[in-house]
Amino acid sequence: GAGVSQSPRYKVAKRGQDVALRCDPISGHVSLFWYQQALGQGPEFLTYFQNEAQLDKSGLPSDRFFAERPEGSVSTLKIQRTQQEDSAVYLCASSRTEQLSTNEKLFFGSGTQLSVL
Amino acid sequence: KQEVTQIPAALSVPEGENLVLNCSFTDSAIYNLQWFRQDPGKGLTSLLLIQSSQREQTSGRLNASLDKSSGRSTLYIAASQPGDSATYLCAVRYYGGSQGNLIFGKGTKLSVKP
Repeated sequence: GAGVSQSPRYKVAKRGQDVALRCDPISGHVSLFWYQQALGQGPEFLTYFQNEAQLDKSGLPSDRFFAERPEGSVSTLKIQRTQQEDSAVYLCASSRTEQLSTNEKLFFGSGTQLSVL
Repeated sequence: KQEVTQIPAALSVPEGENLVLNCSFTDSAIYNLQWFRQDPGKGLTSLLLIQSSQREQTSGRLNASLDKSSGRSTLYIAASQPGDSATYLCAVRYYGGSQGNLIFGKGTKLSVKP
């Protein structure tokens, strides 16, 4: 595709509900990243995939958060038993290669805004 | 704890003015530093990436500098335009972190008045 696509654009969940957020990276991009951005804050790193391998999940805040990228393209971020503190914008980004550099940059989607009531 | 701080939090300037945005980081053992812009309701757009061995990067009217010893980076915007209005974020990758494991500042919200 032309850019990184995320769906849904907005998601409202009741506390305790499970949600699944989808990311379609730019076609052929090897690396995929998830970030969480709370209101008025900078993004915080959640997890990183290189193809289908999850190489870094150190930023996932709890075991309620799970991410997968089974075929090395589309990725899903799942949040189980959502809590109010999970309310944030979830951003997905991809890059063409395994190594960011001056000429190899991150491309971000517009994000999914999750509101947990 | 590794932190990235951006000052000022907000800035308003008249069109045509040159301006500087500041970013400071607590640990000098950085791998690289990036500047992004974020428009309301949108994702981030990568502007410039400076490797730890570099001192500056330029793209059009933008120039980013890096001084690891003092833990500072600046983003210089020349001849500002209303279209430059956005939030500008600085992010640092430290050694030992994976390539996407970036520490972001809270951003500087820039408003350029016509």
